[in-house]
Amino acid sequence: DIQMTQSPSSLSASVGDRVTIHCRASQTISSHLNWYRQKPGKAPQLLIFGASSLQNGVPNRFSGSGSGTDFTLTISSLQPEDYATYFCQESYSKPWTFGQGTKVDI
Amino acid sequence: EVQLLQSGAEVKKPGESLTISCKASGYSFATYWISWVRQTPEKGLEWMGRIDPSDFYTDYSPSFEGHVTISADKSINTAFLQWSSLRASDTAIYFCARWVNQNYVVWLDPWGQGTLVTVSS
Repeated sequence: DIQMTQSPSSLSASVGDRVTIHCRASQTISSHLNWYRQKPGKAPQLLIFGASSLQNGVPNRFSGSGSGTDFTLTISSLQPEDYATYFCQESYSKPWTFGQGTKVDI
Repeated sequence: EVQLLQSGAEVKKPGESLTISCKASGYSFATYWISWVRQTPEKGLEWMGRIDPSDFYTDYSPSFEGHVTISADKSINTAFLQWSSLRASDTAIYFCARWVNQNYVVWLDPWGQGTLVTVSS
């Protein structure tokens, strides 16, 4: 199985800050990488698919980059609704492994 | 609007059986696979398996194969996740999600609201 490692596990930031979250795959996955945001008590929500494509309806303060084994999610200006946990997921091969999550709080 | 609506929370005893459901609306149910994902504090998010509602073909993660059964009923646009004998370790939140595949790029969207399953004696 492909292992997905996110860093950091948690971070503290203020409204308006630029936030960067990293995800590393244990083997190359080309651009088969998705990012999700999960607000407390809610289901995950797709933000980015294919490493860098913004899902319809998602604000453009979110962006994704990377290919191969190293990927980045950037929030250009953190908003109150972005205090949440973020997960990466490889979509290269079964069992479509998720990262352990990065919690963003105040 | 594309939506997945899951059944409510369940409390069961070890050894009991359980089926939870995921009703789709806003799109052609048979066109997209449905996946199930487990979330626990210990292991995070884990993909369990998926079903193609058009022909009921299923595909499981090795970690879950043999312990759960995924099924679907096209007549009511609903997918199901079933256990015949629950274990305490099945305590988790279970999400269904639509599996989207465009030109071999794959993602899960949208997700159901989640079903909390508690297994305790």
